Amino acid sequence: EAGVTQFPSHSVIEKGQTVTLRCDPISGHDNLYWYRRVMGKEIKFLLHFVKESKQDESGMPNNRFLAERTGGTYSTLKVQPAELEDSGVYFCASRGSGTPRTNEQFFGPGTRLTVL
Amino acid sequence: AQTVTQSQPEMSVQEAETVTLSCTYDTSESDYYLFWYKQPPSRQMILVIRQEAYKQQNATENRFSVNFQKAAKSFSLKISDSQLGDAAMYFCAYKLTEKLVFGKGTKLTVNP
Repeated sequence: EAGVTQFPSHSVIEKGQTVTLRCDPISGHDNLYWYRRVMGKEIKFLLHFVKESKQDESGMPNNRFLAERTGGTYSTLKVQPAELEDSGVYFCASRGSGTPRTNEQFFGPGTRLTVL
Repeated sequence: AQTVTQSQPEMSVQEAETVTLSCTYDTSESDYYLFWYKQPPSRQMILVIRQEAYKQQNATENRFSVNFQKAAKSFSLKISDSQLGDAAMYFCAYKLTEKLVFGKGTKLTVNP
């Protein structure tokens, strides 16, 4: 079974440009999460999808960030326009539904975003 | 708001010895979940061990065990018989609803 995959693994862009990160969850997982780790700080929750619906987007930093999950499969996270403080590692995770809340969130390898 | 504190940015241990990573958290809830995740260099983060707060018994997974002190809001991870493959960033995490709240992580080095 393939794990959570993320693309690209690294992205270097200039301030003001747009970047789109992609996450492919484990097949059949309805729950998809985005997290971000800024250098030297905690990994922070951004948002949670159940299928194509946003259940909780309380962690999204501002309206420059737009997450979508059309069709309830893969998800994209777009940053437009990117700012220097957006640099960090963006993690995606997925979890199967119909299981206890303790069920594990499976993480992808992350996308390292550098904004110059 | 819930917070998780890992006070040890870095730790080291000799191969075959035991090391304990500390984690404290802050919450007013009584029913929640705690996790330790491991992220080896350039690899995905994986779950090491989990603990339900309503369970008094400490969780164990092979060489990994926790010391869960609910009143003290402490959740330390003990790694016994350390192996080179245990070298990684270790993240403590708290979960009440759907989102995980992480600490800053502890970088563990295992010396041969």
